[in-house]
Amino acid sequence: NAGVMQNPRHLVRRRGQEARLRCSPMKGHSHVYWYRQLPEEGLKFMVYLQKENIIDESGMPKERFSAEFPKEGPSILRIQQVVRGDSAAYFCASSPSGNRGNNEKLFFGSGTQLSVL
Amino acid sequence: KQEVTQIPAALSVPEGENLVLNCSFTDSAIYNLQWFRQDPGKGLTSLLLIQSSQREQTSGRLNASLDKSSGRSTLYIAASQPGDSATYLCAVRFGSARQLTFGSGTQLTVLP
Repeated sequence: NAGVMQNPRHLVRRRGQEARLRCSPMKGHSHVYWYRQLPEEGLKFMVYLQKENIIDESGMPKERFSAEFPKEGPSILRIQQVVRGDSAAYFCASSPSGNRGNNEKLFFGSGTQLSVL
Repeated sequence: KQEVTQIPAALSVPEGENLVLNCSFTDSAIYNLQWFRQDPGKGLTSLLLIQSSQREQTSGRLNASLDKSSGRSTLYIAASQPGDSATYLCAVRFGSARQLTFGSGTQLTVLP
């Protein structure tokens, strides 16, 4: 059972370009979370999605950032018109279901390191 | 505001020593607490998950405790090894929230 797959591992963009980060959850998982880790900081929640639905986007910046999790294919975190402050490691995590099971762990991918020049 | 704090930010110990990492949280109404390990340039590996109704969880040389009333959790590592060197993150799922709130981590170095 493959783990959470994120690609690319490293992404370099110039200011003003678009960045698209992809996340394929573990097999059987229908819930995806995106977190951002800025240099010297902890992980910060960005958005929580189920298939075709955004459940909680309270951690997403209001502008330039969007996320989707289509019925088919990976979840996409999209950053338009990137700025240097967007440089960070972006992590995706998945969980099995919406049930609030006590044993429900989050499984994380290896992250995408975004560098904005 | 719901926050998670980890102290110390960094810790260096000689191989073989037992050690304790600390995590504190501001709201006792937690759903569960999870300890992760993060290696440089890599993702997070879940170590232990403690339910709100539990006091501790054990896995091998690791033992995590939870005291909701005082808002604290500890991760105990027995007989530390150089391979334990990593950043250890504490994450809390508060109340009805689905997401985790992370501490800033403790960077552990175990010296051979």
